[in-house]
Amino acid sequence: EAGVVQSPRYKIIEKKQPVAFWCNPISGHNTLYWYRQNLGQGPELLIRYENEEAVDDSQLPKDRFSAERLKGVDSTLKIQPAELGDSAVYLCASSSGQLNIQYFGAGTRLSVL
Amino acid sequence: GQNIDQPTEMTATEGAIVQINCTYQTSGFNGLFWYQQHAGEAPTFLSYNVLDGLEEKGRFSSFLSRSKGYSYLLLKELQMKDSASYLCAVRDLSAGNNRKLIWGLGTSLAVNP
Repeated sequence: EAGVVQSPRYKIIEKKQPVAFWCNPISGHNTLYWYRQNLGQGPELLIRYENEEAVDDSQLPKDRFSAERLKGVDSTLKIQPAELGDSAVYLCASSSGQLNIQYFGAGTRLSVL
Repeated sequence: GQNIDQPTEMTATEGAIVQINCTYQTSGFNGLFWYQQHAGEAPTFLSYNVLDGLEEKGRFSSFLSRSKGYSYLLLKELQMKDSASYLCAVRDLSAGNNRKLIWGLGTSLAVNP
């Protein structure tokens, strides 16, 4: 069974440029999460989807960040424009069932120069 | 409020046993997770505790005491590949939804030969 797939693995951009990340969750997982993780820190939730509905986006910086999950499967996270402080690893996870164990993708490491 | 504490760093010797502690303060506890994260990789699920007691899974065991707000992850017969960050995460119903995890900062474990 395929795990959570994310692309790209690495992205280097200049500040003020836009960037987008893509995530394909585990098949059948209704819940999808986007996290940001800085070095030496735990994951920080940005947004959580139940199917196609964003049910928790309280931590998403809405002035520059946006996300979508059309058709309740794949999801994209966009930053426009990127700032130096956005450099981090962006992780996507998915879960389902009563225990809701979250399974993570390999992440996208973003460097903003 | 919500708070999770775990040691920042630990060092152990190959073949030994190490215990990584996690204390938490939540008002709506509904389960505790341990994840392993190797440098540059995504977190991977290790264990889940919702009732008091010890859950054993091969070389890894996890313990929970809900009355004390305390958990530990026990790693036996340490191997070099166990060098990683270990993340404690708590599901808190008071956070608004049972699918939201509160993450600790992680404990970086170094296993030396």
